[in-house]
Amino acid sequence: DQQVKQNSPSLSVQEGRISILNCDYTNSMFDYFLWYKKYPAEGPTFLISISSIKDKNEDGRFTVFLNKSAKHLSLHIVPSQPGDSAVYFCAAGESNFGNEKLTFGTGTRLTIIP
Amino acid sequence: DVKVTQSSRYLVKRTGEKVFLECVQDMDHENMFWYRQDPGLGLRLIYFSYDVKMKEKGDIPEGYSVSREKKERFSLILESASTNQTSMYLCASSSPGLSNTEAFFGQGTRLTVV
Repeated sequence: DQQVKQNSPSLSVQEGRISILNCDYTNSMFDYFLWYKKYPAEGPTFLISISSIKDKNEDGRFTVFLNKSAKHLSLHIVPSQPGDSAVYFCAAGESNFGNEKLTFGTGTRLTIIP
Repeated sequence: DVKVTQSSRYLVKRTGEKVFLECVQDMDHENMFWYRQDPGLGLRLIYFSYDVKMKEKGDIPEGYSVSREKKERFSLILESASTNQTSMYLCASSSPGLSNTEAFFGQGTRLTVV
């Protein structure tokens, strides 16, 4: 049972345009969401997060939007750069103490076309 | 600088061997995790630990065990390696409270069981 889903396995975007990566979840207990970026042969690195008390969080070129009623979040990257080419994982968790495990989606491979 | 170190980048083991994957973190984190990454399946949690000598099963614990004798070290053990355990294994650590910090990942161990 996949509690966190990324329905697009891959996405190609022209350099300079906006990249939008989507993620859906089913577990209503999730109240904290993160995006990780992964290059080949490296571990994932944290990108940006959002808690369920917000609907938007911005950090430079990266913005995460959360729609709790739809159980949907998205990551916007603008403008997209070649170095953004990587696999992106969304992750969700429950922020109560003692249960900080993260559930990850299947990932979306983003390719930025120069 | 934050660091999670996995003892091997690449391992090749024979079916039936007992395999140890080691992970060390230098951030004094209470939480440590083992995930495996497979194409189309994302990152799946094998085991996690909230404290020394404490462990909890993740989503796919079958065929694995773990050991946490010291706070900084979390070992994943494949009791009798099988070919379906060929995968990328990722260790991570975090502090308590998801909303305070993200999980930091090691560089991964690519295990091939032949």
